[in-house]
Amino acid sequence: ETGVTQTPRHLVMGMTNKKSLKCEQHLGHNAMYWYKQSAKKPLELMFVYNFKEQTENNSVPSRFSPECPNSSHLFLHLHTLQPEDSALYLCASSQMTGTSGNTIYFGEGSWLTVV
Amino acid sequence: SQQGEEDPQALSIQEGENATMNCSYKTSINNLQWYRQNSGRGLVHLILIRSNEREKHSGRLRVTLDTSKKSSSLLITASRAADTASYFCATDLTGANNLFFGTGTRLTVIP
Repeated sequence: ETGVTQTPRHLVMGMTNKKSLKCEQHLGHNAMYWYKQSAKKPLELMFVYNFKEQTENNSVPSRFSPECPNSSHLFLHLHTLQPEDSALYLCASSQMTGTSGNTIYFGEGSWLTVV
Repeated sequence: SQQGEEDPQALSIQEGENATMNCSYKTSINNLQWYRQNSGRGLVHLILIRSNEREKHSGRLRVTLDTSKKSSSLLITASRAADTASYFCATDLTGANNLFFGTGTRLTVIP
């Protein structure tokens, strides 16, 4: 139990579907993240929210739409995805203090397969 | 690229042996962290070393940092089968608020 819970753990969706990934952190952190992990590629940072405000969007296609209603919840809305979007999507949180040395706490991930 | 690069990509050792993994990076850092990932699971933080530190220990883990060579190493002593996992270095760059991860080293410890 890492304090970061992701649902669903596995998702199979067609290219025309709309689905959402959900993340909840129970650590009282003020920052939340979405990362994408594909085989043999570095972990890709997709989005960062700090105090519910998006502070980072690393050129992620618009078919991925994040939502952060409060500092404990983070969603990733998925729409008209491509097969190459199949990957493990990891949610994480940390306590940003304005200085370096943030430790990031990850959820168990959501395995996404686009067919 | 901004992220660290681990070397080797894969490492297989016998239980009881030591495992050494290396990480190289390209820009100035505030600190460097190592994380572990069991197959198909999330990453777990292991240890953090700051840019003004040269060596740090935590249990069977020993991390070194050489900022002149822009490299770090993670040593796991007296390895166990349960150490089988992927290990990632993550760089906290000067002026950035985010960690940048590499592709990882896949460690297999054979019982």
